[in-house]
Amino acid sequence: EAQVTQNPRYLITVTGKKLTVTCSQNMNHEYMSWYRQDPGLGLRQIYYSMNVEVTDKGDVPEGYKVSRKEKRNFPLILESPSPNQTSLYFCASSLQTGLEAFFGQGTRLTVV
Amino acid sequence: GESVGLHLPTLSVQEGDNSIINCAYSNSASDYFIWYKQESGKGPQFIIDIRSNMDKRQGQRVTVLLNKTVKHLSLQIAATQPGDSAVYFCAENYNYKLSFGAGTTVTVRA
Repeated sequence: EAQVTQNPRYLITVTGKKLTVTCSQNMNHEYMSWYRQDPGLGLRQIYYSMNVEVTDKGDVPEGYKVSRKEKRNFPLILESPSPNQTSLYFCASSLQTGLEAFFGQGTRLTVV
Repeated sequence: GESVGLHLPTLSVQEGDNSIINCAYSNSASDYFIWYKQESGKGPQFIIDIRSNMDKRQGQRVTVLLNKTVKHLSLQIAATQPGDSAVYFCAENYNYKLSFGAGTTVTVRA
């Protein structure tokens, strides 16, 4: 089954404690991206990757890092989380840029 | 940057009726549009897409209409069912990047 898998689904952490949200896709897609979803603001892109070792900033990249060492995985790293990063995060993948067809189930992050 | 917006944040529909969800986009150069459905606790799910060289596209029980003159997009759902209750987003693609609206919450009344 074609899918994008995120882990964990829920996470509560404290300010400043580094965390990683993993994302994996099984469709051999070149393009992957991370979004955050906040009430009234819709989905906003954090980072995207057009292929292995190729990543770039989206609209709201501050406080986040990503890596793309292999095609299937695209982890989102928060080096020093802050409460304003409390949000619902989605990973997406597609055959090409701007055609996000597959989203993960989401990770609800709370930073206290 | 420019963003996509939806006309109404909520829509209540009687089961069996047709639903129409509207979206206004602001970038006249956008060349590709997608509608997504997001059920509670799940990620957005691709419903249907349309390119700017088309004005209508039909899927299974869904139709997307594109009016480039007034920069308006709509999603029509025929014979709305309880399983159609969800948040619906439109997204526009400009320069290989998607911009999303805030969404319309559709509630189906039995």
